Amino acid sequence: QKEVEQNSGPLSVPEGAIASLNCTYSDRGSQSFFWYRQYSGKSPELIMFIYSNGDKEDGRFTAQLNKASQYVSLLIRDSQPSDSATYLCAVNRASGTYKYIFGTGTRLKVLA
Amino acid sequence: DGGITQSPKYLFRKEGQNVTLSCEQNLNHDAMYWYRQDPGQGLRLIYYSQIVNDFQKGDIAEGYSVSREKKESFPLTVTSAQKNPTAFYLCASSIDIGSPLHFGNGTRLTVT
Repeated sequence: QKEVEQNSGPLSVPEGAIASLNCTYSDRGSQSFFWYRQYSGKSPELIMFIYSNGDKEDGRFTAQLNKASQYVSLLIRDSQPSDSATYLCAVNRASGTYKYIFGTGTRLKVLA
Repeated sequence: DGGITQSPKYLFRKEGQNVTLSCEQNLNHDAMYWYRQDPGQGLRLIYYSQIVNDFQKGDIAEGYSVSREKKESFPLTVTSAQKNPTAFYLCASSIDIGSPLHFGNGTRLTVT
């Protein structure tokens, strides 16, 4: 089992729809969770981070964390073609380490 | 503007040569990291440094070396011992444990 798992996609959604991206992790001691957007050939860009169970909203983006189910998700409302990219989920292990574990990413395609 | 600068953007080398990738940050972050990204794979940690003059091996440190003589700088040397050096190299920093990583623009290294 991979430490951080994501469906590679592509996930295709029409413009204006809600895109739902999912990520599961194996280490129950994980404490910090991050979503990055990566355009082809570019470096990852931080979209959201979440530390506590529940939802965290920032503009069109909502991160959802469920530690009991070891599941974190990213919702993108009113999806735009410019949202088309690969979305990376990253998890920071239990306290005392600087090691962040990345999933392989989900490719999102927003169709105009 | 604060940020992380990686240079060069593209680097070409012949097999058997050592090459050094530059990473400079002016975010005043204590921690710095080097990741490698290959197509279809997640980011893999090469080395990280929590403070000046201290650094730790990541998951794939063989064939790489680093130094941290200044807080702002964390150069990575890809040695001839690295079997498959062609990859996209990403430098990142974070303010402390569990905080979001901020990435530079990356260096794409091609070794032939």
